[in-house]
Amino acid sequence: AQSVSQHNHHVILSEAASLELGCNYSYGGTVNLFWYVQYPGQHLQLLLKYFSGDPLVKGIKGFEAEFIKSKFSFNLRKPSVQWSDTAEYFCAVKSGGYNKLIFGAGTRLAVHP
Amino acid sequence: DTGVSQDPRHKITKRGQNVTFRCDPISEHNRLYWYRQTLGQGPEFLTYFQNEAQLEKSRLLSDRFSAERPKGSFSTLEIQRTEQGDSAMYLCASSSGLGQETQYFGPGTRLLVL
Repeated sequence: AQSVSQHNHHVILSEAASLELGCNYSYGGTVNLFWYVQYPGQHLQLLLKYFSGDPLVKGIKGFEAEFIKSKFSFNLRKPSVQWSDTAEYFCAVKSGGYNKLIFGAGTRLAVHP
Repeated sequence: DTGVSQDPRHKITKRGQNVTFRCDPISEHNRLYWYRQTLGQGPEFLTYFQNEAQLEKSRLLSDRFSAERPKGSFSTLEIQRTEQGDSAMYLCASSSGLGQETQYFGPGTRLLVL
């Protein structure tokens, strides 16, 4: 069965620190990849997505992610986090011609001022 | 641009009761999805509609669960004879079905079964 793994369940950083959240998926065919973010008290919002082309994709609020096909990975990065980045981050995959998204368990990020 | 809306936002019910949730997608989105999210987990797919046709159902969707989208616009998710294990956040998403489509999520309905 297809699955998505997010390696860190909780991450605590100080402001201005760099961020990298890991995401690995299990499907070997063509995939569409997504990172969603859920700020406290808000609904899931799209951060960025990859369908094809340049494997380095840029999203909102200074986030970027790199698709590495050989590693089945789509890690999320931000060079300098802010307190307002405190949220839960979900990696998701769409694959195999299906329209449903398969989500990882999420990473809860806390940024301290 | 009105986003995906869901009603109610919270529901508390007693075990054995039936509950129904409503989802209004972004207008002109022809695809509508239901997901369930429990504490500490990411959303899990339940079912998906293209217009009024229900095209895929997860094995998570037991016989007690039924979803409809009668006119291809809003959708309802009904849970019959609720169990404590049904307590979760029920999320609805919609997408355009075009190109590099994105699923846009609603705020969810939080269900607590006592």
